[in-house]
Amino acid sequence: GAVVSQHPSWVICKSGTSVKIECRSLDFQATTMFWYRQFPKQSLMLMATSNEGSKATYEQGVEKDKFLINHASLTLSTLTVTSAHPEDSSFYICSAGPRRAANYGYTFGSGTRLTVV
Amino acid sequence: GESVGLHLPTLSVQEGDNSIINCAYSNSASDYFIWYKQESGKGPQFIIDIRSNMDKRQGQRVTVLLNKTVKHLSLQIAATQPGDSAVYFCAENRIQGAQKLVFGQGTRLTINP
Repeated sequence: GAVVSQHPSWVICKSGTSVKIECRSLDFQATTMFWYRQFPKQSLMLMATSNEGSKATYEQGVEKDKFLINHASLTLSTLTVTSAHPEDSSFYICSAGPRRAANYGYTFGSGTRLTVV
Repeated sequence: GESVGLHLPTLSVQEGDNSIINCAYSNSASDYFIWYKQESGKGPQFIIDIRSNMDKRQGQRVTVLLNKTVKHLSLQIAATQPGDSAVYFCAENRIQGAQKLVFGQGTRLTINP
């Protein structure tokens, strides 16, 4: 079955530094990947849609210069949180899809817990 | 960014009872809906899906009902087990413009022994 690997699973960084999160599709090619953010006790909020070889499409209210997305290959998308601040602390989740498969092929990674101190 | 709602509602049921979790979606053009289960610190796990041309779909111990007239989804879990305790989200596949999956509010389900 489709597997999406997300790395790291957790990271702690200092304010002002940048953090990169990777999302890999292990056994299929993902032309589209999605990045979500989830605050405690809240739902998943779509941040951006990442398309291989083109610029990401950001949702309203999401700062594209702060959350840099790169999707240079069909199996890898990265999210870089630049100049991180404590309010960026959250659970970040990627998803690959859709595909012509069961459940449209939205396959989720296991998430990355970011804590900015 | 897109999402619906803040602060998860909760539902507590006794082990062995049936549970019903409800969800309202927002876009009448959405063509596909999915229920996910999320355990603490993990990504969403697919449970069951339904296309917009259906009103009911059954899986193992789970049933999804879709009412397009009122834009409402429900997830029924039969004979609940302790392992069913989690947060449950509905998600709608939006096809207006770029295709994307948007999550609903979520419900925390607690199974009492």
